[in-house]
Amino acid sequence: EDKVVQSPLSLVVHEGDTVTLNCSYEVTNFRSLLWYKQEKKAPTFLFMLTSSGIEKKSGRLSSILDKKELFSILNITATQTGDSAIYLCAGPGSGNTGKLIFGQGTTLQVKP
Amino acid sequence: NAGVTQTPKFQVLKTGQSMTLQCAQDMNHNSMYWYRQDPGMGLRLIYYSASEGTTDKGEVPNGYNVSRLNKREFSLRLESAAPSQTSVYFCASRRDSWTGELFFGEGSRLTVL
Repeated sequence: EDKVVQSPLSLVVHEGDTVTLNCSYEVTNFRSLLWYKQEKKAPTFLFMLTSSGIEKKSGRLSSILDKKELFSILNITATQTGDSAIYLCAGPGSGNTGKLIFGQGTTLQVKP
Repeated sequence: NAGVTQTPKFQVLKTGQSMTLQCAQDMNHNSMYWYRQDPGMGLRLIYYSASEGTTDKGEVPNGYNVSRLNKREFSLRLESAAPSQTSVYFCASRRDSWTGELFFGEGSRLTVL
């Protein structure tokens, strides 16, 4: 069965904290893993990761992929209340068919 | 820039009724997807189309059918709606199956009574 597993499922922090969100997947030999942020509407794109060990950064957010251990992490430093959202990662399904599977998401709440 | 357009945005159905969700993209993308999202859950793949002329089942295909009408359009049909199909539906497209950002429509909120 295709699986993308995110942890933790939910997280409550205070402004200024640093958080690390995890995403693990089962399919080897793929080309890309995606991270999205979802507030009230459709998910918005954060990162696409294709190469192991190369960190992608955007402001206070960064992400890295480990293709050998089949996981990715998303870091958010100096969190703000505007970071409160559901964070989703998406990875490939099995069978080289182009299937794209999302994890359950991590719900992050940042308190003032 | 239209991107991915879904219609309708809201729909209320009675159990047993049928309806079609329409999706069109204007980015010349090869791959298109339908997901559903229930409260507290991530996105679950219903069907996808890796390229024009092909469709495949995702994680939760039961009760749904799809049509890749052409490269731009990918519709999702509920033949006999059930309350369990109450959800928010997202259409998405991608340049190809293997890489590139996934672009989403705004979502369609469907309620089945």
